[in-house]
Amino acid sequence: DVKVTQSSRYLVKRTGEKVFLECVQDMDHENMFWYRQDPGLGLRLIYFSYDVKMKEKGDIPEGYSVSREKKERFSLILESASTNQTSMYLCAWQRQDRTDTQYFGPGTRLTVL
Amino acid sequence: GENVEQHPSTLSVQEGDSAVIKCTYSDSASNYFPWYKQELGKRPQLIIDIRSNVGEKKDQRIAVTLNKTAKHFSLHITETQPEDSAVYFCAASKGSASKIIFGSGTRLSIRP
Repeated sequence: DVKVTQSSRYLVKRTGEKVFLECVQDMDHENMFWYRQDPGLGLRLIYFSYDVKMKEKGDIPEGYSVSREKKERFSLILESASTNQTSMYLCAWQRQDRTDTQYFGPGTRLTVL
Repeated sequence: GENVEQHPSTLSVQEGDSAVIKCTYSDSASNYFPWYKQELGKRPQLIIDIRSNVGEKKDQRIAVTLNKTAKHFSLHITETQPEDSAVYFCAASKGSASKIIFGSGTRLSIRP
């Protein structure tokens, strides 16, 4: 089974801080995604990447950026954290044969004070 | 843009009864429809999926039906059990490397 890890399960940061959320998968999968999950809003796509150094905006990219320097690692960056970015952040990956199924990491619950 | 609507937002059924969750999608080019189950405090996990070349798929107590003409698909859980309590998400995609669009989720509760 593929193992996807995220840097922290719980994270508390202050308004204005720069925040890095890391996602690492242990297989050679190309496609990786970052979502945020909020009650009543489901899963919303922030950014995704189909290859190293490649990134595409999702539905809600404002206030976020990403980095994909190595295939196994996809980082989500909050340049200046704000309270409305308090959320559950989920990393996902998609098998290299692109059969569409996405699998999720354990998630990071971020609180911005 | 693409949209997936999911109903109901909450559902409570008696243990042993059936539960049905319905979704509609807007993009007629969508051809892949996964369903995810998320238990409290855990990640969403794929439980069943269906592609547009079939109208129904079943896996033990879980089944999914697809009506491409009407652009809607449904999840059916029969003989519900307490461990079926969770939030369920439907989703739709247009195919390889396309974004998956998620519904807003249904919180299913099973009454003992």
